[in-house]
Amino acid sequence: AQSVTQLDSQVPVFEEAPVELRCNYSSSVSVYLFWYVQYPNQGLQLLLKYLSGSTLVKGINGFEAEFNKSQTSFHLRKPSVHISDTAEYFCAVSDRNTDKLIFGTGTRLQVFP
Amino acid sequence: DGGITQSPKYLFRKEGQNVTLSCEQNLNHDAMYWYRQDPGQGLRLIYYSQIVNDFQKGDIAEGYSVSREKKESFPLTVTSAQKNPTAFYLCASSIENHSYNEQFFGPGTRLTVL
Repeated sequence: AQSVTQLDSQVPVFEEAPVELRCNYSSSVSVYLFWYVQYPNQGLQLLLKYLSGSTLVKGINGFEAEFNKSQTSFHLRKPSVHISDTAEYFCAVSDRNTDKLIFGTGTRLQVFP
Repeated sequence: DGGITQSPKYLFRKEGQNVTLSCEQNLNHDAMYWYRQDPGQGLRLIYYSQIVNDFQKGDIAEGYSVSREKKESFPLTVTSAQKNPTAFYLCASSIENHSYNEQFFGPGTRLTVL
């Protein structure tokens, strides 16, 4: 069965600094990959997704992620963060056999002024 | 405005009571989902439905029940059999239940058992 590992539970960073949130998944077979963002006491919002094609995916709010098949990773990056980026970020992988979305445990990004 | 609504936002329940969480969508999506979110555990799938009058158990269905009588509605009942129901519950929908489809989420309901 598919699994998703988000290696960092919390990432503190200063405003305007770059950030990388790490995500690894378990299977090397073809997958669909997603990053969602959750602001406090709200639902999840899609940041970006990888279905096929270019391994560099650009999303909303200046975020991007790179699909690396050999390392089974899908790390999320932003070159310069804002205070408003403070939120919880979830990586998710679709299991093609079951059509279920498997979520990681989340990374809390805290941006300080 | 198209989207997913969940009500109530906060819900308090006494032990031994059943409670029903509402989820409505006007996106004309076929598939709907219920997730449970606990701190440090991510989201876990409770139930999902691909079409009206049909639904399947997710990974943690015990103590929960659902119905799908209308395309736009997918209520979740937390029964007294659920041993630890205090959590944040999220409803989602997608065009179809295919692995490449984005899921759209509602704002959530926070359930607290007193």
